[in-house]
Parts: sequence; C-alpha cells; structure tokens
Amino acid sequence: SQQGEEDPQALSIQEGENATMNCSYKTSINNLQWYRQNSGRGLVHLILIRSNEREKHSGRLRVTLDTSKKSSSLLITASRAADTASYFCATDEGGAQKLVFGQGTRLTINP
Amino acid sequence: ETGVTQSPTHLIKTRGQQVTLRCSSQSGHNTVSWYQQALGQGPQFIFQYYREEENGRGNFPPRFSGLQFPNYSSELNVNALELDDSALYLCASSLTGPYGYTFGSGTRLTVV
Repeated sequence: SQQGEEDPQALSIQEGENATMNCSYKTSINNLQWYRQNSGRGLVHLILIRSNEREKHSGRLRVTLDTSKKSSSLLITASRAADTASYFCATDEGGAQKLVFGQGTRLTINP
Repeated sequence: ETGVTQSPTHLIKTRGQQVTLRCSSQSGHNTVSWYQQALGQGPQFIFQYYREEENGRGNFPPRFSGLQFPNYSSELNVNALELDDSALYLCASSLTGPYGYTFGSGTRLTVV
C-alpha cells in the first residue's frame, strides 16, 4: 500500500526558479523522509523530519511538516538542471522500519 | 564508506524460473531492506532483515524470500517468476532507528 501521495505528479520549471512539492499521508507517523531518484536508478536520501519538528533545512532544501493536516512540503530553491529527477516522500508506519512511499513528483528543470 | 552495491544490474528471466539478487550493505549498517519498484510507481516494501532475522514483511507472496548474512550482505530470491515481477529491485541499508536509508542502484529484472 502507498501511504504518501505527492502533488503535483509532474512539475516543469525554469532554471533558477523555486520548486515546491507536496506530500500527504493517512496515518500517524514518527518521521517523514524525502528521497530523490534519477532516471530509475537508486534513491538518494535528502532529508528526514521527525513528527515533533515543523521545519528543517538542508542547503537549498526546505521541508515542512504539518502533522495536524498529515502533510509535508519540499521546497527546492534556486533550481538547477541537475535537480531534474523524481522526488518521493516516505513515511514510517507506527515505528516500524518499513518505509511507505508515494508515487513521486517528476521534476524537470529547463535551462 | 562504500555505499550499497547490488548485482547484477540487469537480468532477463523466463516466466517460471527462479532468480537471486544480491546486495552488499553500507559498512556499519545492520539493517537491510528490499523494495520493488514498478515503472512509474514508488517503491513497495518487500521485507527487512536485522541481525539475520526477517524483521517485517510487506504484501508479497512467500515465493519472495530473503537472507541476511553475518557480514550484513543480503539476497532476495524469487521463485516461479511471473510477468508482473518485472521491476526495479532496490536494496537499502540503514542503522536501527530513525535514520535515512542508503539505497543501491538497483537490479532491473525483466521476466519474459
């Protein structure tokens, strides 16, 4: 089953613009993670935010978490062509080590 | 730090055959998980191993089985392959607890 649902499914922007992706989930979580995947290769861990955190930054990435709305957002600032990839949110289920992924947002950065 | 390596990178099998996929975990990681990713979908959890014991399983039939070895490397075995088993199989290792996972580049399995 897939818990996280990303929105939009696809996003195309110009280089230098900001990109925002959203994720919603259904049950209570302990943490939420964001991953990047280039062209069907392995996933790269970007950031983990715990359920008691509201915002977290890592370089050009900013993640927010609203547990009351069961949603999270990933903001990539000053986008680059190398940011072109699919982005997935993943949640844990009740403390289990299992990650439940959404279907992802396909981000295209146009030069 | 060597990361997670998977082999082979690509594989073509015939329906009904059996396949074994291999994974070497990142140094220091004691937990390994396997995921199946169909084209255009997010990864689906197959199972996880911790200290050589299965530590959780997703909604996959028993013909999907695994092993974790003392050096934390792992295998995924799939028996009686079906066409729908065609997918990218991803191995991920981690430490126990709320940490990010390190994924391998995956094995692309095609069943014909």
